[in-house]
Amino acid sequence: AQSVSQHNHHVILSEAASLELGCNYSYGGTVNLFWYVQYPGQHLQLLLKYFSGDPLVKGIKGFEAEFIKSKFSFNLRKPSVQWSDTAEYFCAVKSGGGADGLTFGKGTHLIIQP
Amino acid sequence: EAGVAQSPRYKIIEKRQSVAFWCNPISGHATLYWYQQILGQGPKLLIQFQNNGVVDDSQLPKDRFSAERLKGVDSTLKIQPAKLEDSAVYLCASTHRQGGVETQYFGPGTRLLVL
Repeated sequence: AQSVSQHNHHVILSEAASLELGCNYSYGGTVNLFWYVQYPGQHLQLLLKYFSGDPLVKGIKGFEAEFIKSKFSFNLRKPSVQWSDTAEYFCAVKSGGGADGLTFGKGTHLIIQP
Repeated sequence: EAGVAQSPRYKIIEKRQSVAFWCNPISGHATLYWYQQILGQGPKLLIQFQNNGVVDDSQLPKDRFSAERLKGVDSTLKIQPAKLEDSAVYLCASTHRQGGVETQYFGPGTRLLVL
């Protein structure tokens, strides 16, 4: 069975700091990888996704993530965070090629201090 | 484009009572999912439908949970009887396939509290 590990459950940063949230998955086959964000009081929204091709993917709001197959990792990055980035961030994986359900990590609660 | 709709948004019941949640996916989305998100955890897949057929219900506690999507559009998830540990947010998602890429879109969820 697939599993997803997010290393940091809580992260506190100041505005303009750089962000990197770790995500590792356990599945040896072809995978599709996602980062979702949940702002306070709102529903899950897709930040970015990786299906194939360039392992560096860019998403909305200046976020990017790099798929490193050898490390089974898909870390989320942003060079300069803003107060409005305060949210819960979830990494998710599914087997490639189909419409399978997603396996989510436990989430990282990010707080940006002004 | 309208998003995934869910109702009710909140529900409080006592243990051993029954409860039902409703989901209307994005128009044209054939695949529909129900997830359970317990506080402090990521969503966990309960059941997946393709049109009106069940694709995966391996993680659905079938002794108390049931779900249907009779006409391949709306879906309902039912819990009977509810237990304290069922307190969670129940998320519905539907999938759009574009260019061979599946992307799940989530509804706002129903927050259930079992007392």
